[in-house]
Amino acid sequence: EAQVTQNPRYLITVTGKKLTVTCSQNMNHEYMSWYRQDPGLGLRQIYYSMNVEVTDKGDVPEGYKVSRKEKRNFPLILESPSPNQTSLYFCASSPLGHTEAFFGQGTRLTVV
Amino acid sequence: RKEVEQDPGPFNVPEGATVAFNCTYSNSASQSFFWYRQDCRKEPKLLMSVYSSGNEDGRFTAQLNRASQYISLLIRDSKLSDSATYLCVVNPPRQLTFGKGTKLSVIP
Repeated sequence: EAQVTQNPRYLITVTGKKLTVTCSQNMNHEYMSWYRQDPGLGLRQIYYSMNVEVTDKGDVPEGYKVSRKEKRNFPLILESPSPNQTSLYFCASSPLGHTEAFFGQGTRLTVV
Repeated sequence: RKEVEQDPGPFNVPEGATVAFNCTYSNSASQSFFWYRQDCRKEPKLLMSVYSSGNEDGRFTAQLNRASQYISLLIRDSKLSDSATYLCVVNPPRQLTFGKGTKLSVIP
């Protein structure tokens, strides 16, 4: 089954404790991206990647890092999480040309 | 001007009604256009792509007006199951850009 898998689905952590949210896709898509969604603000792009070892900042990259060492994986790293990073996070992938973006089920992160 | 703008709603309509959503985009180099549907706290899913000639899928019709830089979604004969947030998505070169979404509630 074609899918994008994010883990964990839910996470509560403390300020400053490094965490990684994993994202994996099995569709051989070149393009992958991370979004956060907050009430009233819609989906905002954090980082995106056009292919292996090619990443670029989206609209709200501060406080986040990503890597793309393999085509299928695109982890999101929060080196020192803060409460303003409490949000719902989505990973998405699509083929170049953007015929359709497939989303993971989301990760609900709470930083206390 | 924001890249993609939508009326946030909410649109509260009775079952069977026809409802239309509009979306404007700022980047004239945008190449592809989509409508996504998002149910509460779930991931967005593609509803339909939007083509220059307009396209229809059952009760849903999407239109694109490149000259005026807007796209629209028409839902006919609304069902309770259509209640969701509808996201306008535009693809300028290199990255997808999402509108904030329009919330639709279909009332019995």
